[in-house]
Amino acid sequence: QVQLLESGPGLLKPSETLSLTCTVSGVSISSYYWSWIRQPPGRGLEWLGYIFYTGSADYNPSLKSRVTISIDTSKNKFSLRLSSVTAADTAVYYCARVKQQLGGYNWFDTWGQGTLVAVSS
Amino acid sequence: DIQMTQSPSSLSASVGDRVTISCRASQSVASHLNWYQQKPGKAPKLLIYSASSLQSGVPSRFSGSGSGTDFTLTISSLQPEDFATYYCQQSYTTPRFGPGTKVDIK
Repeated sequence: QVQLLESGPGLLKPSETLSLTCTVSGVSISSYYWSWIRQPPGRGLEWLGYIFYTGSADYNPSLKSRVTISIDTSKNKFSLRLSSVTAADTAVYYCARVKQQLGGYNWFDTWGQGTLVAVSS
Repeated sequence: DIQMTQSPSSLSASVGDRVTISCRASQSVASHLNWYQQKPGKAPKLLIYSASSLQSGVPSRFSGSGSGTDFTLTISSLQPEDFATYYCQQSYTTPRFGPGTKVDIK
């Protein structure tokens, strides 16, 4: 059974860097793409980026200058860094597995439980 | 940048009702469209991928249709556990979710 679990600080001050880790169990991280998605309280979902085990990554253009996703295949984990946070970055952050199909089709089939990160002075 | 809209934004329905939710993309996404269900305090759950393929383990009362810019999620007979918010998501370009449709009890 594939499981994902987010971990990291739940409270940050403005201008700090958000760092979260997603621990993957039940499957090798080297077999899929992996993503981060966030959801501000009471609002919709926003894709942040994804990474492949090779380290190849792509990011949401609206956040590209502040987002970095990295991967540690030896520990079956991948991580998110978001720099210069503001109150607008307050959200539940989810990690998710990306399933793919020929033709470029892809979807988020397995999600972590999510972790709330609040930004406040 | 492809924008996604959903209608209605919310609806009230009764157990047993047939429910349809619409999703529209600002330009064609072919069949690169997925549907998720989210309950309060929980992570989204994949229901439908590639516009019409039912995710393993999802009840057959859920179905998806459409291609290009217009898509529909249908629940053939609403069950108590189906009261939730539903999101569409295009994966043709930079992944983007629709704003959601909340289904609550009439």
